[in-house]
Amino acid sequence: ELKVEQNPLFLSMQEGKNYTIYCNYSTTSDRLYWYRQDPGKSLESLFVLLSNGAVKQEGRLMASLDTKARLSTLHITAAVHDLSATYFCAVDNYSGGGADGLTFGKGTHLIIQP
Amino acid sequence: EPEVTQTPSHQVTQMGQEVILRCVPISNHLYFYWYRQILGQKVEFLVSFYNNEISEKSEIFDDQFSVERPDGSNFTLKIRSTKLEDSAMYFCASSEAWGTDTQYFGPGTRLTVL
Repeated sequence: ELKVEQNPLFLSMQEGKNYTIYCNYSTTSDRLYWYRQDPGKSLESLFVLLSNGAVKQEGRLMASLDTKARLSTLHITAAVHDLSATYFCAVDNYSGGGADGLTFGKGTHLIIQP
Repeated sequence: EPEVTQTPSHQVTQMGQEVILRCVPISNHLYFYWYRQILGQKVEFLVSFYNNEISEKSEIFDDQFSVERPDGSNFTLKIRSTKLEDSAMYFCASSEAWGTDTQYFGPGTRLTVL
């Protein structure tokens, strides 16, 4: 059974600080996804990481993937209040059937305080 | 910008009743998915669909669930006899390609079973 573990699950930080969210997974997948969810809203795609060593950046967020360590990180630089949300990582189930579902972590609930 | 749409936004039903949740995926997408999220918990994969058949399904997707693409635009999830534990937010998603492409999520249908 594919397992996806995120930590921390809750994070309260101050504006302007840097922090990293970690995502460990149990399979040999090389496809990892990061999503953002605001309260009561749907999931917004942030990054798709498709190979070992992949690094993507968008604004104050940077995601990386190490498939050998089965680890992805989401780094937040100089946090601002607007980044407050729940962040999920997800791994492709890779069933080989054609349309693979994603297995999600429990999410990291991030609160950024002024 | 194209987006996944879902109806209704909120459905209240009595235990044992049948419900149909509707989704219109992004028009040029070929792969369709249903997920659910129980309040405050992680997102769970239910089923994926490609080329008019189920591609992958999770343990949650038992005989009470079915999916259908009745025409060229809609994708539906039916729950035959709802249980209290079916209460959740149900998200539809679609992707253009398999494995390497983002799954775009709809706004969700909140299902409340009384």
